[in-house]
Amino acid sequence: AQRVTQPEKLLSVFKGAPVELKCNYSYSGSPELFWYVQYSRQRLQLLLRHISRESIKGFTADLNKGETSFHLKKPFAQEEDSAMYYCALTYSGAGSYQLTFGKGTKLSVIP
Amino acid sequence: KAGVTQTPRYLIKTRGQQVTLSCSPISGHRSVSWYQQTPGQGLQFLFEYFSETQRNKGNFPGRFSGRQFSNSRSEMNVSTLELGDSALYLCASSLGGGTNTGELFFGEGSRLTVL
Repeated sequence: AQRVTQPEKLLSVFKGAPVELKCNYSYSGSPELFWYVQYSRQRLQLLLRHISRESIKGFTADLNKGETSFHLKKPFAQEEDSAMYYCALTYSGAGSYQLTFGKGTKLSVIP
Repeated sequence: KAGVTQTPRYLIKTRGQQVTLSCSPISGHRSVSWYQQTPGQGLQFLFEYFSETQRNKGNFPGRFSGRQFSNSRSEMNVSTLELGDSALYLCASSLGGGTNTGELFFGEGSRLTVL
C-alpha cells in the first residue's frame, strides 16, 4: 500500500528565507507525485506535478527515487505563500487517478 | 467556466440517519472522485466514478456508497451515520480517460456534522 509522509505539521519561516517542505513516500511501483495547496478560504488546488518538472510561483520539487522523497522548495518565501500544502501520490491504473495524500504542512511566512 | 459545485455546503444529522451529498463537476469532466477530510486522518480517498462506473474504491465500510449520472454529476450516500462520519467531504473532478493529466479540481466541500 502506498503512503505519503509529511513530517512537519507547521513550518514557520521569515519572508525572504528559503523554504523546504518535506515529503517522503512509500510505494513499490513507479509513482506520480504532486503538490497541492490550499490558501485561506480557497479550494484545494494543484501546485505542481513531478512529471512536468516545472516551477510554479517560484516553487520546485524534484523526485528522488533513491530517497523516496519529493520535497517542495522555494529560495525566497513570500507572505502570499502562507497556506496548507499537501503532498500526494498516485499510480496510473486504467486512467484512474486515486490520490493518496499526506496530512499536510501549514506554512506560515512571517513578515 | 464554473468550478466544481457541491451541495449542501453544511448539514447536521443525528446518529443512525442517512445523508446524500451532491457534486456537479466541471463541464466536460467525466471523472468524479470523493474524499473525506478529518483532522485526525487527513484526506482519504472514498471512491472514483468515470462514465457512470465506479473505477476505484477506498477503504471505507459499505455504508459509504456513490453513483454517477449520465451528465457526470455524482452523489454519495452515507447510511446509518456514526459520530465518526463527521467530516468535510470533498468532491473533485478531472477529465478522466486517456487525456487525464492527474490534476484534480476540487469543490469547496460539504461539511457534515453528526450529533
